[in-house]
Amino acid sequence: EAGVAQSPRYKIIEKRQSVAFWCNPISGHATLYWYQQILGQGPKLLIQFQNNGVVDDSQLPKDRFSAERLKGVDSTLKIQPAKLEDSAVYLCASSLAGLYEAFFGQGTRLTVV
Amino acid sequence: GQNIDQPTEMTATEGAIVQINCTYQTSGFNGLFWYQQHAGEAPTFLSYNVLDGLEEKGRFSSFLSRSKGYSYLLLKELQMKDSASYLCAVRDGYGNKLVFGAGTILRVKS
Repeated sequence: EAGVAQSPRYKIIEKRQSVAFWCNPISGHATLYWYQQILGQGPKLLIQFQNNGVVDDSQLPKDRFSAERLKGVDSTLKIQPAKLEDSAVYLCASSLAGLYEAFFGQGTRLTVV
Repeated sequence: GQNIDQPTEMTATEGAIVQINCTYQTSGFNGLFWYQQHAGEAPTFLSYNVLDGLEEKGRFSSFLSRSKGYSYLLLKELQMKDSASYLCAVRDGYGNKLVFGAGTILRVKS
């Protein structure tokens, strides 16, 4: 079974630029998560989708971050404009349904300079 | 809201047993997960507890007490490759949000 796919793997941008990350979850997984993981910390939930509806986005900085999951499959996370403190690994995960374990993609390492 | 606490770092010797504790406070509870994360890699699922008691899976066991808001991960016969960060995560009772603790860095020495 194919895992969670994310792209790009690495991205370097200047502050105030915009960036987008893409995630393709495991086939059939209804729940999709985006996490931000700063070096030395645990993953912080940014947004959780159930199919194409938002379950929780309470920690998403909505003035600069946006996410969508069209048709309940792929998802994109966008940052506009980026700040230095956005430098982190952005992890996408998916689970079969809300109660099951989540499987993670390899992540996108973002460096904002 | 949620609060999940784990020790920051632990060190243990190859071949020994180590216990990593996790305490949590959440709005509702729909399960507790343990993940392993090697440096520079994504977290991988280790275990899941939703009822009180011990779940055993090879060298790894996980325990849950819902009344105490407490779990531990037990690693037996430690190997050097077990050096990693161990993340405790709780699924809450409202929307099944999956929230992670800061993780415990385990260093296994020979």
